[in-house]
Amino acid sequence: DTEVTQTPKHLVMGMTNKKSLKCEQHMGHRAMYWYKQKAKKPPELMFVYSYEKLSINESVPSRFSPECPNSSLLNLHLHALQPEDSALYLCASSRGLAGLSSGANVLTFGAGSRLTVL
Amino acid sequence: DAKTTQPNSMESNEEEPVHLPCNHSTISGTDYIHWYRQLPSQGPEYVIHGLTSNVNNRMASLAIAEDRKSSTLILHRATLRDAAVYYCILRAFYNQGGKLIFGQGTELSVKP
Repeated sequence: DTEVTQTPKHLVMGMTNKKSLKCEQHMGHRAMYWYKQKAKKPPELMFVYSYEKLSINESVPSRFSPECPNSSLLNLHLHALQPEDSALYLCASSRGLAGLSSGANVLTFGAGSRLTVL
Repeated sequence: DAKTTQPNSMESNEEEPVHLPCNHSTISGTDYIHWYRQLPSQGPEYVIHGLTSNVNNRMASLAIAEDRKSSTLILHRATLRDAAVYYCILRAFYNQGGKLIFGQGTELSVKP
């Protein structure tokens, strides 16, 4: 299995709702990532997990709450979002980030979850 | 993070070679040069990466300047399926905690 699977593909939510995005991989990767992408813009890094521990939070507002319950699964919990949070949310995974040559590690991306906040 | 500069857009004809340039004058000696591409309505996909030497794989070739301040992604025969945004990214040898930071990229269009 060489894929990263993201669900749901599309999500519409109100500003008072609580919802979650899910990401799964079975490649044995030990690093997982969340990116946010607005239309016609490059992906922006949000969070990085390494060996199930949060290693990077790019100053993301607390209404986005990541969770890595095990090495194959990554969730993004959403609460009290704003309309400007509407975007494509991309998950990615790679081999673990320890080691001298981890800069060579390649990311495998999912197809994304398109979120619309009304 | 070291910065990359790419042209905003490029055009190519189908079945002709395409050379996509990237400048990275502030690259450090241990930064890897990665290329990813993003086809319409899809997540980014890995294309190729290198450190110092030129690299070839089934998708493309990567030519790295001797001083490493620039590189070129070469698609040997462009097809309509190669129309995408191509991102040139520097990634630290020790990985800086896991960051892979996308720049603006080059939007490649391929004409039949």
